[in-house]
Amino acid sequence: DTGVSQDPRHKITKRGQNVTFRCDPISEHNRLYWYRQTLGQGPEFLTYFQNEAQLEKSRLLSDRFSAERPKGSFSTLEIQRTEQGDSAMYLCASSTSGRFQETQYFGPGTRLLVL
Amino acid sequence: SQKIEQNSEALNIQEGKTATLTCNYTNYSPAYLQWYRQDPGRGPVFLLLIRENEKEKRKERLKVTFDTTLKQSLFHITASQPADSATYLCALDPTGTASKLTFGTGTRLQVTL
Repeated sequence: DTGVSQDPRHKITKRGQNVTFRCDPISEHNRLYWYRQTLGQGPEFLTYFQNEAQLEKSRLLSDRFSAERPKGSFSTLEIQRTEQGDSAMYLCASSTSGRFQETQYFGPGTRLLVL
Repeated sequence: SQKIEQNSEALNIQEGKTATLTCNYTNYSPAYLQWYRQDPGRGPVFLLLIRENEKEKRKERLKVTFDTTLKQSLFHITASQPADSATYLCALDPTGTASKLTFGTGTRLQVTL
């Protein structure tokens, strides 16, 4: 099964440290999305890429957050100077583009705990 | 402001009954609406998509309706089983460009024997 994969699955860090997460989308998918989910809430959109271009960023994505997709395949999400409020599940999803291709396929998520 | 509302209280039903979950939205005119299932500690899994010109869609024991006048979608699971216990999320595409999804908070369904 070549679904969306994320690494690591869990990350515990101390406040002020930098963390980086990786997402590998389904191979033929050219769109990649990052979401954040806190307990009891639905996923919230952070940013998305079409191929290597970052086309949209949410206002939730502060200057401490940066995402890249350098070759249009895997993506990384980096959080600098982590804060306790960054504790959440970070979800990656991918999809194809084009009409009637709206379904997004999610990975298992990376759960971040900032102490 | 735009809002998607799902019943935040858990829905408890007995095995074999039909579960009905509600998704209401305001200040959106979505071209389609999606339902996802999420198990604890896992990412959402796509279940069904219904378009604005479709009133109803079915897949096995699942049925979704979409009323753009009432701004409401209903999600039904017939002959429910304990394995259906999960959180169910509805999601809209607010821009119509498939660039992002806006999710409701989800409704937790618990099916008991």
